Amino acid sequence: NAGVTQTPKFQVLKTGQSMTLQCAQDMNHNSMYWYRQDPGMGLRLIYYSASEGTTDKGEVPNGYNVSRLNKREFSLRLESAAPSQTSVYFCASSLDQGNSNQPQHFGDGTRLSIL
Amino acid sequence: GESVGLHLPTLSVQEGDNSIINCAYSNSASDYFIWYKQESGKGPQFIIDIRSNMDKRQGQRVTVLLNKTVKHLSLQIAATQPGDSAVYFCAENIRGDTGRRALTFGSGTRLQVQP
Repeated sequence: NAGVTQTPKFQVLKTGQSMTLQCAQDMNHNSMYWYRQDPGMGLRLIYYSASEGTTDKGEVPNGYNVSRLNKREFSLRLESAAPSQTSVYFCASSLDQGNSNQPQHFGDGTRLSIL
Repeated sequence: GESVGLHLPTLSVQEGDNSIINCAYSNSASDYFIWYKQESGKGPQFIIDIRSNMDKRQGQRVTVLLNKTVKHLSLQIAATQPGDSAVYFCAENIRGDTGRRALTFGSGTRLQVQP
């Protein structure tokens, strides 16, 4: 069972460079999410997609863009990386049928360093 | 602002003992709560959830208690094992004005199991 798969696992960028973090889920989930986790802190929501074709800003969206390519894939793009974006990035997905609450399932993260 | 927080940043227990991890929440509109376990280098792993119409839910070796009167959530782990050593996060899920649900995480408690 793959669940939520994130690529790459590690990345080092220079300030100003751009890159896209990839995420795919094979659980036929409707909703997908991007979080960042900084040392000693919980996860903070960057962007969210309730369904294919829709995206919504979370708590810390500045400096990021997202694309819900299809039901399986949700990518996060840094257009011009800054040292403040050094973090571990987690993608998650949940079933979310209608108004029901469903737990989110997470990938193992992408560790991103901006020099 | 309203937030999810934890009372103890680090909890050390002896193998075989029971562990109790506590979490306070301040948003009275929260109606769904989740506990996650995060091991080093991994993404958060779903442990157990509880809806606000319940005050207790049991899983395998874990029990979650919800006290809505004092806005308190706890995770009890029976017969704690070395494999339980990890950081544990509580998260609350609330529906905002737009109808979108958002998951807010606490900063985590590290559980250390001593052999």
